[in-house]
Amino acid sequence: DQQVKQNSPSLSVQEGRISILNCDYTNSMFDYFLWYKKYPAEGPTFLISISSIKDKNEDGRFTVFLNKSAKHLSLHIVPSQPGDSAVYFCAARDPYGGSQGNLIFGKGTKLSVKP
Amino acid sequence: DSGVTQTPKHLITATGQRVTLRCSPRSGDLSVYWYQQSLDQGLQFLIQYYNGEERAKGNILERFSAQQFPDLHSELNLSSLELGDSALYFCASSVGGDDEQYFGPGTRLTVT
Repeated sequence: DQQVKQNSPSLSVQEGRISILNCDYTNSMFDYFLWYKKYPAEGPTFLISISSIKDKNEDGRFTVFLNKSAKHLSLHIVPSQPGDSAVYFCAARDPYGGSQGNLIFGKGTKLSVKP
Repeated sequence: DSGVTQTPKHLITATGQRVTLRCSPRSGDLSVYWYQQSLDQGLQFLIQYYNGEERAKGNILERFSAQQFPDLHSELNLSSLELGDSALYFCASSVGGDDEQYFGPGTRLTVT
């Protein structure tokens, strides 16, 4: 059973518009959430994170929102650029699970930003 | 460039064989993690080492094993390979045990 779900396998957005990538999780004990970006033939690259004590974290064009009651987080990219085209993985840390401190990843959402 | 290196980049081998994947963490990082990414799957955590000691185990098969050496590089050993073991294997490192993880470029394993 997936503990971290990214229900949209792909997303297409026009350059300059907002990209919104969504992620749902099932375990309320998760205390830290991260987004990674992955280009083909490369490893995932850390993008932005948020602690469970916050509901928003911003870094330039990237903002992550956390709704703990809904067990939902989203990544907003504004404005979207063609170079943002990549697969985005949502990840959560379970501090009390068997893999203490390790990350549980979603399956990813492929973002395509069209010029 | 994350600073994490993995060798080889590609590996093609036959069923039943054994292979070793190698990872060098970023300078100063004590933790090494191994992940498997199969087709259409997310990253599945396999195992973590911290300063030479096994710290956590995920969905790692008994046919797989890993170790971290005194110089902090790590090796993932995969034996009795099956077709289903074909995947991308990523190594990641972090400073401590629960910081942001930085990923290497991966090793693509193809079992024929």
